[in-house]
Amino acid sequence: DAGVIQSPRHEVTEMGQEVTLRCKPISGHNSLFWYRQTMMRGLELLIYFNNNVPIDDSGMPEDRFSAKMPNASFSTLKIQPSEPRDSAVYFCAISKGSGTDTEAFFGQGTRLTVV
Amino acid sequence: GENVEQHPSTLSVQEGDSAVIKCTYSDSASNYFPWYKQELGKGPQLIIDIRSNVGEKKDQRIAVTLNKTAKHFSLHITETQPEDSAVYFCAAPNGPLGYSTLTFGKGTMLLVSP
Repeated sequence: DAGVIQSPRHEVTEMGQEVTLRCKPISGHNSLFWYRQTMMRGLELLIYFNNNVPIDDSGMPEDRFSAKMPNASFSTLKIQPSEPRDSAVYFCAISKGSGTDTEAFFGQGTRLTVV
Repeated sequence: GENVEQHPSTLSVQEGDSAVIKCTYSDSASNYFPWYKQELGKGPQLIIDIRSNVGEKKDQRIAVTLNKTAKHFSLHITETQPEDSAVYFCAAPNGPLGYSTLTFGKGTMLLVSP
């Protein structure tokens, strides 16, 4: 977990508000993933970056979701406007190489509650 | 894309017993299969992985077996301890290795009772 710092750890917001989740990965890992975890759907991949470039965003549920990676040490996931069904735990993960055959290191997650 | 099915969804065992969690996958081209453990309030953590050039891999009390013909792989935990209680996820690549991603199973909640 120490390799990926996510903030905030918990976020409670009202429906319609903008939410920004942050991820600070340690250096040396050129793949970054955003996942969403719920009881019903498990771990879902939202978006995958390689060398700061979005490679696969097919998991982003709607246009309300957007993600950026301006540099190798910072990424954001934004939801605007937020809805109650967005309530979940959001994880940022990193790995070396392309990311599928090497270990992925997950952050501790951000628990988002939209009321 | 890859489809990963994981069973059971919950598993309760007594301390010292063995636990087995099974996963099936759909893409016969997949050749890397990791297992992650998630403790309460934490992110998933890799505990063991296997590549398709071997049928079994062990690491102390944990082992993973792979049957490529049947397209299933299993996690075996022997001599379970209360600290093994967690949610376990299997995964498989979603596409050929390279620029692709992992598809995770729905998870198995393992409870080890003292």
